[in-house]
Amino acid sequence: DAGITQSPRYKITETGRQVTLMCHQTWSHSYMFWYRQDLGHGLRLIYYSAAADITDKGEVPDGYVVSRSKTENFPLTLESATRSQTSVYFCASSEGGEQFFGPGTRLTVL
Amino acid sequence: GQNIDQPTEMTATEGAIVQINCTYQTSGFNGLFWYQQHAGEAPTFLSYNVLDGLEEKGRFSSFLSRSKGYSYLLLKELQMKDSASYLCAAGGGYGGATNKLIFGTGTLLAVQP
Repeated sequence: DAGITQSPRYKITETGRQVTLMCHQTWSHSYMFWYRQDLGHGLRLIYYSAAADITDKGEVPDGYVVSRSKTENFPLTLESATRSQTSVYFCASSEGGEQFFGPGTRLTVL
Repeated sequence: GQNIDQPTEMTATEGAIVQINCTYQTSGFNGLFWYQQHAGEAPTFLSYNVLDGLEEKGRFSSFLSRSKGYSYLLLKELQMKDSASYLCAAGGGYGGATNKLIFGTGTLLAVQP
């Protein structure tokens, strides 16, 4: 199906474990983004990518790593998960205007 | 600094009109977006203003004043399904880079019968 998808939709992990959240889009959009959404903070940009192999930090990048070897995929890795990374994570893509959001991944770090 | 302010909550009656205000302060501003987000779902695009003035799209309209750093979203003929969070986002944050958005914390609108 066309669009933007995220996997998994729900994830529970433990402190210190590595976790990778996947994002895939079928529009061949140049720009892709990772946000986290927490009560009282709204959506905050973690990392973004302007094209394959080009990534840059957003507002809250610490503790996260991204890569973009292919235009359609933009995985987000938590190298050593902490409780403060419990959140809802949204991936988005864009081609210069509005951003289209994936369904989100609800991550709980115990 | 960069800042987006919008009311936390609003309540309105079905069939009425409601205006959700947003003030912003960002470096390198290049447009103002409004998104709708129902509980447990992803944000969906509603409108985009880059020039001053009013943009109308069906029951929803959005206004921008760049000189005042101010925008509003106007919802007419409110329906129960309009109960959602409305997110204001300024484009061009992070030093003016295109496509990066700074989001407000959202306004939770409750439409009552």
